[in-house]
Amino acid sequence: EPEVTQTPSHQVTQMGQEVILRCVPISNHLYFYWYRQILGQKVEFLVSFYNNEISEKSEIFDDQFSVERPDGSNFTLKIRSTKLEDSAMYFCASRVGLAGGSDTQYFGPGTRLTVL
Amino acid sequence: AQKVTQAQTEISVVEKEDVTLDCVYETRDTTYYLFWYKQPPSGELVFLIRRNSFDEQNEISGRYSWNFQKSTSSFNFTITASQVVDSAVYFCALSAYGQNFVFGPGTRLSVLP
Repeated sequence: EPEVTQTPSHQVTQMGQEVILRCVPISNHLYFYWYRQILGQKVEFLVSFYNNEISEKSEIFDDQFSVERPDGSNFTLKIRSTKLEDSAMYFCASRVGLAGGSDTQYFGPGTRLTVL
Repeated sequence: AQKVTQAQTEISVVEKEDVTLDCVYETRDTTYYLFWYKQPPSGELVFLIRRNSFDEQNEISGRYSWNFQKSTSSFNFTITASQVVDSAVYFCALSAYGQNFVFGPGTRLSVLP
């Protein structure tokens, strides 16, 4: 069964460094998402992406964050200058994009980012 | 604005007990979807069920059942005859018409042997 994959599973970085989290959505999906979960807290929406542009973003998704679909398969989240509070689990999700938005978002296994 | 509330932060039960996890949601949209996800200690989000706002039929899948009550804006989840492997954090989520998910704060379920 097709699934969303994410790499790396765990990333450790120093404060101020740039990180890129990678996701490979399910191949026929058209909508892509990033969510964040700080340890012990709920999952929070960061950004959605469709047709090579951001369709919606939350207040968390500030200028330090960017997303890109560099090729036909990858979907990346870049944090330009990491802060301690960026430490979290980052989930990528994708959905087909059926009319009416009735299809389910499928989540990847997550990348745990630790900022030291 | 959309909001999902899971009032139970933590629940502990003994194996074989039944347990119900509560979920109350708020939305002004007439078309929306409700979800339950399980997050085991390994951290991934495991999809359990999706329900659309026009389908209030309850659903049963093995030991799992869901009770959707639109009149009270609730979408509760019951595990019958709980097992140790059911121990996890369970999230209820809401998505209106193809929009991003809004998650509840989660309920940590511990099933003791």
